[in-house]
Parts: sequence; C-alpha cells; structure tokens
Amino acid sequence: QKEVEQNSGPLSVPEGAIASLNCTYSDRGSQSFFWYRQYSGKSPELIMFIYSNGDKEDGRFTAQLNKASQYVSLLIRDSQPSDSATYLCAVKGAAGNKLTFGGGTRVLVKP
Amino acid sequence: DAMVIQNPRYQVTQFGKPVTLSCSQTLNHNVMYWYQQKSSQAPKLLFHYYDKDFNNEADTPDNFQSRRPNTSFCFLDIRSPGLGDAAMYLCATGGGPLQETQYFGPGTRLLVL
Repeated sequence: QKEVEQNSGPLSVPEGAIASLNCTYSDRGSQSFFWYRQYSGKSPELIMFIYSNGDKEDGRFTAQLNKASQYVSLLIRDSQPSDSATYLCAVKGAAGNKLTFGGGTRVLVKP
Repeated sequence: DAMVIQNPRYQVTQFGKPVTLSCSQTLNHNVMYWYQQKSSQAPKLLFHYYDKDFNNEADTPDNFQSRRPNTSFCFLDIRSPGLGDAAMYLCATGGGPLQETQYFGPGTRLLVL
C-alpha cells in the first residue's frame, strides 16, 4: 500500500468549473500537508499547505483536511486553462522533515 | 528575490562519465534536499542535509553522492551514470516555522547517451 495516494487522472474539467482533487495518506501521525503544482517539464511549485483540520482558502484554491479520515483535498474554483498541470500531494510524517509525495493528479481544463 | 538556483538546467553526459549537478540558495534555509524525478512519477528523495548533517535514503544507489560545502551550496555527484539515471534532478530547501515547507529549484534534466 502506497503511503500517499492520488488518482492519477486525467481529471478533465470545463473552464470555469470547480476541480476537486483528493489525496489519502496512511501515516495517522502525519502533521503537515502540502499541495504542489507541476507543469510539464518544470519543477513543483508550492500552492498551499495546511496543518489543521478544516478548510484553508487562498484565492481560487481551497485545501481541506480531515485527519480522522486521513484525507486532504484541493479545490480549484473557476478553473482556467492555465491550471492544467499535475498536482502533487505531499505529507510530512510524525518525525523528521521529509515529505512523502503522492503520484500526482493530472488536471486538464478545457476552454 | 530569494530563490533556489540549479545549474546547469540541461546536462548531457555519456554512459559512465561522472557528472556533477549544482544547487545554490539565497533563502538561508538549513535544510537542503535532492530528488530524482522520472516521467509521470513522484519525486523520489535521494538524500538531504540538515545543516551539515547528511541523511541518505536507504534505497539511494551508491553511485549517487552529495556534498554541501556551506549553507548556500549543495552538489549532486553521479559517479558512473547509467541509462536508467536519465531523469529530472530537483533540489529543494526547507523553510517555514518548522523548516518543513519545501521550495524547489527549476531542476536539471539529465540525459545519458
């Protein structure tokens, strides 16, 4: 069983719609959760991080964390073609500074 | 602007010919990481430094080594590159209150001929 799991996609959404991405993790002691966006051929770019249960909003992005169910999600509102990328979920475990990455979800926003 | 810089952006080497990739940062972060990322896969951690304290991942091949001469610079040495080592190599630094938020450089794409 993978430690951090994401649906590989592609997740196809029409422009202007909400894209919903999910990530589950196995380490119940995980403390910090990160979402990165990665365009093809480029390096990951930090979008958001979340530490506490609930929602955290930043512009068109909302991260949602439910530690009891061990999942974290990312919502992208008013999706734009420029949001087309792979979104990586990363989780910091109970100890150390290392992040465990999921395999990423590829998002395609169609005009 | 504070940033993470990687050089070169593209590196072509021959099978078995040693290669060194470099990373520098102006963020003054204590932690630096090296990842390998192959197409459509998650980044795979090779090793990381907490200050000068070196931490090797158990499954990192011996062919890969690293040096961190000071806070700003970190190097990845591949002693004898094989065809399977062709990948994007990502350097990241660790910041934030708990030094766990990772900021990536632009990456070096390595091609092995």
